[in-house]
Amino acid sequence: AQSVTQLGSHVSVSEGALVLLRCNYSSSVPPYLFWYVQYPNQGLQLLLKYTSAATLVKGINGFEAEFKKSETSFHLTKPSAHMSDAAEYFCAVSDRYGGSQGNLIFGKGTKLSVKP
Amino acid sequence: DVKVTQSSRYLVKRTGEKVFLECVQDMDHENMFWYRQDPGLGLRLIYFSYDVKMKEKGDIPEGYSVSREKKERFSLILESASTNQTSMYLCASTAQVGDGYGYTFGSGTRLTVV
Repeated sequence: AQSVTQLGSHVSVSEGALVLLRCNYSSSVPPYLFWYVQYPNQGLQLLLKYTSAATLVKGINGFEAEFKKSETSFHLTKPSAHMSDAAEYFCAVSDRYGGSQGNLIFGKGTKLSVKP
Repeated sequence: DVKVTQSSRYLVKRTGEKVFLECVQDMDHENMFWYRQDPGLGLRLIYFSYDVKMKEKGDIPEGYSVSREKKERFSLILESASTNQTSMYLCASTAQVGDGYGYTFGSGTRLTVV
């Protein structure tokens, strides 16, 4: 069965510093991978997704993620943090099948704080 | 702008009440989902539906039921609300499952059971 692990439930960075949020998945075949962002008291918004085209995926708000098959990772990065990036971030994975195997499986989330 | 709309942002109900959480999407999506979100536990799947009148149990269906009479509407029902069902509830939809489509989420309903 698919699973996804986000290392670090809470990450704190200074404004202008690099943001790195870690995500590892377990799958026997390359899956689809997603990053979502959730601002306080809101739903989740898609940041970016990997569907087997380029391994480096660019998303909204300056975020990007790199799919590394050898490391089974899909870490999210942003070169320079902004105060408005403070939010909770969720990594998600799905199989390349229909039916319930294709449902998204979410990590437990990483809360990003940005210090002035 | 495509949308998933959850009827209530905040809801306070009493223990034992029957509670209905409504979700409507305007994207003609086949697939709809209900999650609950709790601190440190992430998103947990309660029920999902791939078609009208179709429903499947997710990982934590106990204490919940669902209804999908029309394609655009997916309702979550708490048959007899309990305090341990106090949570954020999120509805989502997608055009296709397992095809690289992401989900579109509603804004969530924060339910408090007292």
